[in-house]
Amino acid sequence: ETGVTQSPTHLIKTRGQQVTLRCSSQSGHNTVSWYQQALGQGPQFIFQYYREEENGRGNFPPRFSGLQFPNYSSELNVNALELDDSALYLCASSFIAVGWSGELFFGEGSRLTVL
Amino acid sequence: AQSVTQLGSHVSVSEGALVLLRCNYSSSVPPYLFWYVQYPNQGLQLLLKYTTGATLVKGINGFEAEFKKSETSFHLTKPSAHMSDAAEYFCAVRSYSGAGSYQLTFGKGTKLSVIP
Repeated sequence: ETGVTQSPTHLIKTRGQQVTLRCSSQSGHNTVSWYQQALGQGPQFIFQYYREEENGRGNFPPRFSGLQFPNYSSELNVNALELDDSALYLCASSFIAVGWSGELFFGEGSRLTVL
Repeated sequence: AQSVTQLGSHVSVSEGALVLLRCNYSSSVPPYLFWYVQYPNQGLQLLLKYTTGATLVKGINGFEAEFKKSETSFHLTKPSAHMSDAAEYFCAVRSYSGAGSYQLTFGKGTKLSVIP
């Protein structure tokens, strides 16, 4: 059973650029979520994908978008980067059926620095 | 809306001493509550969870937490701290995010230091 893997682990961008972060879900999981963790803060929910459709979104603007692929891998795209987008981006996968218990399996994250 | 508040951004204990990390929640529905741990440069790992049933839940690495509805609390404890427990701990509550989906709402975290 493979875990959740993310790439790249670190990257540096400049303000206004676009970035794509990638995630490979844990085997057998059907749902992927993305969280943003700013320095000294807890993770904040960005959005969730289930069966390749976004089915839940946090308080993030539309320039944060995503994709989920048939093999349950996922991408997070951020356009028009701002300095405040500097954070650790965490991907989490889970298997959701009826009555999800809430357990998420996290990757180690992609640390984005915006200059 | 559901939320959690963690009291104390930084807690220091001596090795072998009791660990107590505090979490209070706010929820309009019966809560599902979680504690996650984050070691440096790593993702989050589930320590334990409360959904329904027994209010004292045991997790990995000797940690446990007690759900107290009257106090809206879900404090994390461990009888004897070990150096390897040094990490950041996050309390979380399951929240509804629309379209039949749920998310976790996290507290700001408590960094635990263990002094030899």
